[in-house]
Amino acid sequence: QKEVEQDPGPLSVPEGAIVSLNCTYSNSAFQYFMWYRQYSRKGPELLMYTYSSGNKEDGRFTAQVDKSSKYISLFIRDSQPSDSATYLCAMRRGDYKLSFGAGTTVTVRA
Amino acid sequence: GAVVSQHPSWVICKSGTSVKIECRSLDFQATTMFWYRQFPKQSLMLMATSNEGSKATYEQGVEKDKFLINHASLTLSTLTVTSAHPEDSSFYICSASSARAYEQYFGPGTRLTVT
Repeated sequence: QKEVEQDPGPLSVPEGAIVSLNCTYSNSAFQYFMWYRQYSRKGPELLMYTYSSGNKEDGRFTAQVDKSSKYISLFIRDSQPSDSATYLCAMRRGDYKLSFGAGTTVTVRA
Repeated sequence: GAVVSQHPSWVICKSGTSVKIECRSLDFQATTMFWYRQFPKQSLMLMATSNEGSKATYEQGVEKDKFLINHASLTLSTLTVTSAHPEDSSFYICSASSARAYEQYFGPGTRLTVT
């Protein structure tokens, strides 16, 4: 069993729809949770960073963490074609080492 | 802030030759740098972690004699793929962290094709 599970998709939505992405994990030692966006042939870009359970909002993006269920989510409201990318969840314990999900490929249709 | 660059962005080399990839932190001092590889439609796989002035720590299964990592300064780390073979063709991405925070900032990646 992988430490971090993420459905690779692909996920296709119409412009303006809400995109819902999620990851589950098995290691209860993970404390920090991140979402990265990766465009084709580019490096990952940090979108959201959360520490505790609950919600965190940044513009059109909302990250949720439920440590009791070992489940994290990312919601993108009013999706745009420019949001088309691969979204990677990542998490770590108290040190540097990141554990990544497989990434979900999202296409927002104009 | 927190910009990381990589050079070259893509490289093609012949089998048996060596290739060096540079990773630079442009606006902060990177006490720790990381090297990942990513195959098509797969996630990032950590290859090694390097601290400035120290030997790199390699992940299990990564050949340290094949993937030479040097972190000689607080702004530069290099990855040399020695005696490259077609199976080494991949997307190599570096990231960097400062001493103040554990967050990693990623470079744009280098696409290596070995013919």
